[in-house]
Amino acid sequence: NAGVTQTPKFRVLKTGQSMTLLCAQDMNHEYMYWYRQDPGMGLRLIHYSVGEGTTAKGEVPDGYNVSRLKKQNFLLGLESAAPSQTSVYFCASSRPSRQSSYNEQFFGPGTRLTVL
Amino acid sequence: AQRVTQPEKLLSVFKGAPVELKCNYSYSGSPELFWYVQYSRQRLQLLLRHISRESIKGFTADLNKGETSFHLKKPFAQEEDSAMYYCALTLGGTSYGKLTFGQGTILTVHP
Repeated sequence: NAGVTQTPKFRVLKTGQSMTLLCAQDMNHEYMYWYRQDPGMGLRLIHYSVGEGTTAKGEVPDGYNVSRLKKQNFLLGLESAAPSQTSVYFCASSRPSRQSSYNEQFFGPGTRLTVL
Repeated sequence: AQRVTQPEKLLSVFKGAPVELKCNYSYSGSPELFWYVQYSRQRLQLLLRHISRESIKGFTADLNKGETSFHLKKPFAQEEDSAMYYCALTLGGTSYGKLTFGQGTILTVHP
């Protein structure tokens, strides 16, 4: 049981290049999330998905696109990378709970992206 | 919009000393509060949630709605408590579990 996995672990891009980050979970979770982690700013939600085929914007969605074609996968795309997108990206998943208090998110190991 | 503030970026204590990591939030409704922890070379993971009123690894946190705070406390810090700690909140209802995180506090416990 791998939990949440992320591919790749590290990547260096040049400004204007594109790439896709892959998140996979084997816990049959409905909800999936993409966050970025920046020093002094904590984690901020980029996009999220509440089920296969659905996506929604989070707090900082500009410059990113996502897709959830399969329940277990959540892809984050950068169409034209910018230096401001240099960050550590975390994927997380959770099972819906009637009471949000009991919602626990399970995180992946992170992807460190540098845009030159 | 909701906001979580952790005023201390860095916190250092000696082993056996009490530790308190501060967390304040702003939200007009009744949010649900959590503490997540990231140990060195490990994933971010849930430490505790306010609804459970539990003690995990000796840590407790009490939700003070009057002061809009959710401080994390431990009476006797251990070296293995050194980590990055995030306070986070989620809104009730159909918020789909989305978390708003604070800026994080790096706790270092010296021997």
